[in-house]
Amino acid sequence: AQSVSQHNHHVILSEAASLELGCNYSYGGTVNLFWYVQYPGQHLQLLLKYFSGDPLVKGIKGFEAEFIKSKFSFNLRKPSVQWSDTAEYFCAVNRRGSQGNLIFGKGTKLSVKP
Amino acid sequence: EAGVVQSPRYKIIEKKQPVAFWCNPISGHNTLYWYLQNLGQGPELLIRYENEEAVDDSQLPKDRFSAERLKGVDSTLKIQPAELGDSAVYLCASSFGQGKGNTIYFGEGSWLTVV
Repeated sequence: AQSVSQHNHHVILSEAASLELGCNYSYGGTVNLFWYVQYPGQHLQLLLKYFSGDPLVKGIKGFEAEFIKSKFSFNLRKPSVQWSDTAEYFCAVNRRGSQGNLIFGKGTKLSVKP
Repeated sequence: EAGVVQSPRYKIIEKKQPVAFWCNPISGHNTLYWYLQNLGQGPELLIRYENEEAVDDSQLPKDRFSAERLKGVDSTLKIQPAELGDSAVYLCASSFGQGKGNTIYFGEGSWLTVV
């Protein structure tokens, strides 16, 4: 069965620090990969997605993620975080060509200190 | 364009009582999902509809949970009777079609507390 692992439960950073959130998945086939963000009191929003092509994907608000197939990883990065990036971040995967059933990780809570 | 709309946003009920959640997906989206999100966890799929048909309900606890999507648009998720362990956020989501462009959009969720 597919599963998604997010390594960090809670990350605390100061503003302007660089961010990297880990995500690994287990599935032997071809997958689509996603990062969603949930700001306090708001709904899940898509940050970025990877379907095919360039493994370095750029999303909204300066976020990017790199798909490394050999490591089954899709880590999220941002060079300089802001207080407004405080949120919970979820990595998700589904099988390429599937009906879209997303498997989510448990999430990483990011707290950015002003 | 309106997003996925859910109601109610918050519901507090006593155990053994029934509860129902309603979802209106993004216009034109034929696929509708109900996800369950427990505190500190990622969302988990309960049921997926393609138009009116429930094509994946393997994770839906059918002894107390039911769902319907009449006319292939709005959907209702019902719990009867509710148990303390059902306290969670119930997320509705929708997408259009399948394959490469199949981004799933989520509603704000219905927060259920069973006391």
